[in-house]
Amino acid sequence: EAAVTQSPRNKVTVTGGNVTLSCRQTNSHNYMYWYRQDTGHGLRLIHYSYGAGNLQIGDVPDGYKATRTTQEDFFLLLELASPSQTSLYFCASSDGGSSYEQYFGPGTRLTVL
Amino acid sequence: QQQVRQSPQSLTVWEGETAILNCSYEDSTFNYFPWYQQFPGEGPALLISIRSVSDKKEDGRFTIFFNKREKKLSLHITDSQPGDSATYFCAASEASSGSWQLIFGSGTQLTVMP
Repeated sequence: EAAVTQSPRNKVTVTGGNVTLSCRQTNSHNYMYWYRQDTGHGLRLIHYSYGAGNLQIGDVPDGYKATRTTQEDFFLLLELASPSQTSLYFCASSDGGSSYEQYFGPGTRLTVL
Repeated sequence: QQQVRQSPQSLTVWEGETAILNCSYEDSTFNYFPWYQQFPGEGPALLISIRSVSDKKEDGRFTIFFNKREKKLSLHITDSQPGDSATYFCAASEASSGSWQLIFGSGTQLTVMP
């Protein structure tokens, strides 16, 4: 079964802090995604990647960087965290072939004080 | 501007009733519409999906009805069970474009009372 893991599961930082969220998938999927989930907005795409070294901009990229180091690992970086980035972050992966299904991780709750 | 809209925001039904969740979209190029189910503390998981070439898709107690002309979909959950209590997200994609992006609605929180 598809497996996407995220770490940490919870994170508290201060305004201006530096945060890295990690995601690993063991599905051998080509595509990986970072979303944020906020009440009233559903899931919004921040960045995505279709392979190691590739990065594509999503719908809400401001204030976020991302890096795909291997096929398995995708990182989301907040270099100067702001309270507006307090949210629930999900990573997902998909095959990118004939299946459009995205498999989601359990999420990371980030609080920026 | 939200490209995918869902209503209602929250819905409560009794066990055994049919829950109807609504979704509409704006972009006529969207041709793939998955519904994701999310339980508290978990990530969303694919429940059922439909392509725009079909007007209905069934999977057990879950049925999607699709009206391409009106750009509307609905998810019907028949014989609702307390275990169906979750948040349901409608999403849309132009699956043939190769971008693999999903546009999600804001979700409907369903509560099934025993």
